[in-house]
Amino acid sequence: SSELTQDPTVSVALGQTVRITCQGDSLRSYYASWYQQKPGQAPILVISNTNSRPSGIPDRFSGSGSGNTVSLTITGAQAEDEADYYCNSRDNSGDRVIFGGGTRLTVL
Amino acid sequence: VQLVESGGGLVQPGRSLRLSCAASGFSFDDYAMHWVRQAPGKGLEWVSSISWNSGTRGYVDSVKGRFIISRDNAKNSLYLQMTRLRPEDTALYYCARATGAFDVWGRGTMVTVSS
Repeated sequence: SSELTQDPTVSVALGQTVRITCQGDSLRSYYASWYQQKPGQAPILVISNTNSRPSGIPDRFSGSGSGNTVSLTITGAQAEDEADYYCNSRDNSGDRVIFGGGTRLTVL
Repeated sequence: VQLVESGGGLVQPGRSLRLSCAASGFSFDDYAMHWVRQAPGKGLEWVSSISWNSGTRGYVDSVKGRFIISRDNAKNSLYLQMTRLRPEDTALYYCARATGAFDVWGRGTMVTVSS
């Protein structure tokens, strides 16, 4: 089976840049998406197709990918960006959807 | 554009439950739909998917043979029939619209499996 690996916790100083990464073999073949989830709320899509930002998402959020790793970068992190972030993609067969374990971002 | 889940509750192990997801504000039959769950304090887990015409369905291994996903495009509704429920199925169940990524999510319905 396939899996996506994320660092459990990441912190960033207010206004600084942070990169959250997601690794997995299937990322060599399939696009990834990123979701932001705040406590008590449903997830929201912040990046699709590895590097596309949906309308309404601030342009400080960007995505990139290379090989088996995709990244979510927040340039100039704000207090409201403090949340859990999840990557997702397909497994190696393409038949199943998989999520990373999530990264809790703390803005200091 | 909105998704509203319902049907969750407290159920004993081994029993069944049917979740529903009502869609509005978009052409429901243009989209594949998914169920994603989140156990208390845990991460997101994909559960099941169904194509726009119900021709293709998928399940995570842990629910295969116990859960059935279905949809009624005439009623703009998605369903998840859950049988032989286990304590580890306890979670908040979200329905989500798929455009490759999950671009619209409901607020979820809580399922608790406990005796």
